[in-house]
Amino acid sequence: AQSVAQPEDQVNVAEGNPLTVKCTYSVSGNPYLFWYVQYPNRGLQFLLKYITGDNLVKGSYGFEAEFNKSQTSFHLKKPSALVSDSALYFCALLYSGAGSYQLTFGKGTKLSVIP
Amino acid sequence: GAVVSQHPSWVICKSGTSVKIECRSLDFQATTMFWYRQFPKQSLMLMATSNEGSKATYEQGVEKDKFLINHASLTLSTLTVTSAHPEDSSFYICSARSKPGTFNEQFFGPGTRLTVL
Repeated sequence: AQSVAQPEDQVNVAEGNPLTVKCTYSVSGNPYLFWYVQYPNRGLQFLLKYITGDNLVKGSYGFEAEFNKSQTSFHLKKPSALVSDSALYFCALLYSGAGSYQLTFGKGTKLSVIP
Repeated sequence: GAVVSQHPSWVICKSGTSVKIECRSLDFQATTMFWYRQFPKQSLMLMATSNEGSKATYEQGVEKDKFLINHASLTLSTLTVTSAHPEDSSFYICSARSKPGTFNEQFFGPGTRLTVL
């Protein structure tokens, strides 16, 4: 069965410092991985995805993610954090089910950027 | 990117009443729509998947008679919570995909906060 794990419930980082939000996955077959961000009382916004190709994927708002097959990881990164980056981040894995392709989400990591 | 709207944003109802939540794709045709439920400080749990004109496919443990889903057109899906009870209080999020392909992005609505008194 497929699954996504986000080992950290919360990540705190000072403004201007680099940030990393961790994600590991388990799937049989090729992984198709996504990162989404959620602001309070809002839906999810797409940040980036890995389907195939370069292991370093660049996305919206200066975020990037590194796909590492040997470590089954897809960590989200940003070189310099902004206070406005504070939000809930979800890693997700696309899989085939119920006649359609569906996303399974990690539990989410709350990112707090401290001024 | 494409826009998905939900209505209402917030709803408070009495126990035993039914509540309908609308999900619309505003600038694209959604061949597939998804309904998720999110509890506080928890992840999104997929409730059901629906293709336009077909019956919804519900995830294990989701009561289809309680959570009625209608995907009547390519731009509208509705979720009706029938005979709502306090344990149904949650944040409901819909999502839509424009094409049935594997890697097409899913667009998410802003969510509907349901509180059942």
